[in-house]
Amino acid sequence: SQQGEEDPQALSIQEGENATMNCSYKTSINNLQWYRQNSGRGLVHLILIRSNEREKHSGRLRVTLDTSKKSSSLLITASRAADTASYFCATNTGNQFYFGTGTSLTVIP
Amino acid sequence: NAGVTQTPKFQVLKTGQSMTLQCAQDMNHEYMSWYRQDPGMGLRLIHYSVGAGITDQGEVPNGYNVSRSTTEDFPLRLLSAAPSQTSVYFCASSSAGAYEQYFGPGTRLTVT
Repeated sequence: SQQGEEDPQALSIQEGENATMNCSYKTSINNLQWYRQNSGRGLVHLILIRSNEREKHSGRLRVTLDTSKKSSSLLITASRAADTASYFCATNTGNQFYFGTGTSLTVIP
Repeated sequence: NAGVTQTPKFQVLKTGQSMTLQCAQDMNHEYMSWYRQDPGMGLRLIHYSVGAGITDQGEVPNGYNVSRSTTEDFPLRLLSAAPSQTSVYFCASSSAGAYEQYFGPGTRLTVT
């Protein structure tokens, strides 16, 4: 399987703190994406980072990519209770997409 | 726009029964896909389509059939349901050449 892995599997923080989750993948990539899934819902696309980029920002999200280590990290700054969700990284080979196993984030008000 | 819609939301089947999960999108997206999500496994690609009349297998295609007769619809057929197919099924779509996928709300399937 080319499925990636997120680390940690679960993370619990206080509102206002930063949350960092990591993704490791197995093959060479052109880009990597992060998605959020609220409980009982479909996934929502958050951000895409290309293989020639090392860092990308979108609002309170900061994504880094280290292609030499085949890893990426997602940082959520100043977390809110509404950020409580599962977060998945995704890569693709051609038209086939591979999702990681996810990090479950709980933000305590 | 409704985005990606899936029906039904919940379904219980007996082993050996067949059924079709429906997926439709109104964004004129060329790419559509089906995933299953199991605890601790993330999402795994079952089948995908890059346009009407074109389908291909993903990572876990066994026991499932798809067809794509129109741009809008991409149904997933379970031929003879097995307990191992108990899962949450998601349909997704995206524009050709774009990587951002739009997901439906999911169908929770239980096979007894």
